[in-house]
Amino acid sequence: SQQGEEDPQALSIQEGENATMNCSYKTSINNLQWYRQNSGRGLVHLILIRSNEREKHSGRLRVTLDTSKKSSSLLITASRAADTASYFCAVQNDMRFGAGTRLTVKP
Amino acid sequence: DGGITQSPKYLFRKEGQNVTLSCEQNLNHDAMYWYRQDPGQGLRLIYYSQIVNDFQKGDIAEGYSVSREKKESFPLTVTSAQKNPTAFYLCASSMAPNTGELFFGEGSRLTVL
Repeated sequence: SQQGEEDPQALSIQEGENATMNCSYKTSINNLQWYRQNSGRGLVHLILIRSNEREKHSGRLRVTLDTSKKSSSLLITASRAADTASYFCAVQNDMRFGAGTRLTVKP
Repeated sequence: DGGITQSPKYLFRKEGQNVTLSCEQNLNHDAMYWYRQDPGQGLRLIYYSQIVNDFQKGDIAEGYSVSREKKESFPLTVTSAQKNPTAFYLCASSMAPNTGELFFGEGSRLTVL
């Protein structure tokens, strides 16, 4: 399995602050994806970063990828209460997921 | 609108009864997946299908069964052999196996009384 592992398990911040969560993996990859899950809902695809990319932006999301360290980070800037959710990484189109990071943004 | 529809959203069953969860997609995707999620946990892969009339076991297939007779449909049966079936079940699809973005349904919450 090429499953990624998210860190930290839980993160609590104030509205307006930035949130950073990380994903580590063990094998060489072609791409890595991030997903969000609101409580009691399905997962929603956020962003895909390829192995030849070091950084990618989508709105308030910034994803970095360091293939030498086999890690990726997801930064959410100027967080909002609506960003409260669990965030998962998926590695190399693998269909498996880690335990995720539970983000709580307090108003 | 294209997407994945899971039904029912909530389901209550007595212990020992088989239950079938429906998953339908109109995205013309080849690959479909079933996951189980327990409270506060990640997703665990139950079964996946890369093409019609073919499917493979995931990491926790015991006590579950699936069929893939049509491209659009991938129903999951939770059998009485599943020791702890109470969970949130998610279905997903992708255009082709191992080709990127997974599209998820809204889930089915099964409670066994």
